[in-house]
Amino acid sequence: AQSVTQPDIHITVSEGASLELRCNYSYGATPYLFWYVQSPGQGLQLLLKYFSGDTLVQGIKGFEAEFKRSQSSFNLRKPSVHWSDAAEYFCAVGVGTASKLTFGTGTRLQVTL
Amino acid sequence: DAGVIQSPRHEVTEMGQEVTLRCKPISGHDYLFWYRQTMMRGLELLIYFNNNVPIDDSGMPEDRFSAKMPNASFSTLKIQPSEPRDSAVYFCASSLRSRTTDTQYFGPGTRLTVL
Repeated sequence: AQSVTQPDIHITVSEGASLELRCNYSYGATPYLFWYVQSPGQGLQLLLKYFSGDTLVQGIKGFEAEFKRSQSSFNLRKPSVHWSDAAEYFCAVGVGTASKLTFGTGTRLQVTL
Repeated sequence: DAGVIQSPRHEVTEMGQEVTLRCKPISGHDYLFWYRQTMMRGLELLIYFNNNVPIDDSGMPEDRFSAKMPNASFSTLKIQPSEPRDSAVYFCASSLRSRTTDTQYFGPGTRLTVL
């Protein structure tokens, strides 16, 4: 069965600093990969996704992620964090005919001013 | 498009009562998913439907939980009887299966508290 690991439970960065959130997956074939963001009291919003092709994926709000097959990773990056980026970030892997998603445990991002 | 709509947004009930959560998916989507989010277990897929038919309910915790999708624009998740350990945020999501994209769009969730 597939699994997703987000090793960082909580990360704090200063506004304007760069950000990288880690995600590792376990799956026998090339999965569909997603990053979602959840603000307090809100549902999940899709930031970006990888299905095939270019391994560097651009998303909304200035985020990008890079699929590295050799490392089974799909890390999320942003060059300059804004205070409004404070939220919880979930990596997910989708497999099967309905892209049944398995989520990581999430990384809570705190942004200091 | 209004997105995925869930109601109620908050539900407080007492142990033993029946709880019904509702979801309206995005128009035209052919998949509907129910998730549960708790601090202890994170986000778990409970059940999903394709064209109103339940496909995989292996995530439903026990027989107290049931889900239906009587038509393409409405689904319910019912808990009867409810227990305190059912307290969680329940999300509904929908997607449109295509060759190139398979993105799930989430509703705002229903926060359930069972006393």
